[in-house]
Amino acid sequence: ETAVFQTPNYHVTQVGNEVSFNCKQTLGHDTMYWYKQDSKKLLKIMFSYNNKQLIVNETVPRRFSPQSSDKAHLNLRIKSVEPEDSAVYLCASSDNAETLYFGSGTRLTVL
Amino acid sequence: QQQVRQSSQSLTVWEGETAILNCSYENSAFDYFPWYQQFPGEGPALLIAIRSVSDKKEDGRFTIFFNKREKNLSLHIKDSQPGDSATYFCAASPPSGSWQLIFGSGTQLTVMP
Repeated sequence: ETAVFQTPNYHVTQVGNEVSFNCKQTLGHDTMYWYKQDSKKLLKIMFSYNNKQLIVNETVPRRFSPQSSDKAHLNLRIKSVEPEDSAVYLCASSDNAETLYFGSGTRLTVL
Repeated sequence: QQQVRQSSQSLTVWEGETAILNCSYENSAFDYFPWYQQFPGEGPALLIAIRSVSDKKEDGRFTIFFNKREKNLSLHIKDSQPGDSATYFCAASPPSGSWQLIFGSGTQLTVMP
């Protein structure tokens, strides 16, 4: 039963382009996250967003920015993508920071 | 600095065997340890979790054994099935107030029929 929806499933783009990924959760959770999963399946947290409070992992490059219109939506924008941005981007939501509910991810390929 | 370590990148067992996936952690303040299961093309999903006040948590064929003194835990999958083939992530959470779970690097389990 999917409750965290991500679009698109896949995206192929060229170096330097801007991309934007969407995420919506229907669980009524207060907190949403973006994770990056690389080719070795390592999960790295990028952002957490709760009640308009944004927490950023300090290792995330500035070309990445989250965008939220309400607590059910947290989109991810990448300005000027680079080859190392190729990965699966996973959105998640939680009501207690312990149990995360993940979407199925957006696979980004940068040529 | 890897705060949560999974010693095996991959593990292969035969159908019907018990698969044992190991995990260790560095920070003794961690008090909640979930295991997530991820199938190809999907996001991780919570499988089973334990708190540091317990030494064992069982849910069907899945059992977590937890050793607080040694700072390690293991996930045992009894009577492994081919459908259990997936990547398993150990994670840890500091006491409430922290904003994130810390994930290990994952163990890819293959159950051969």
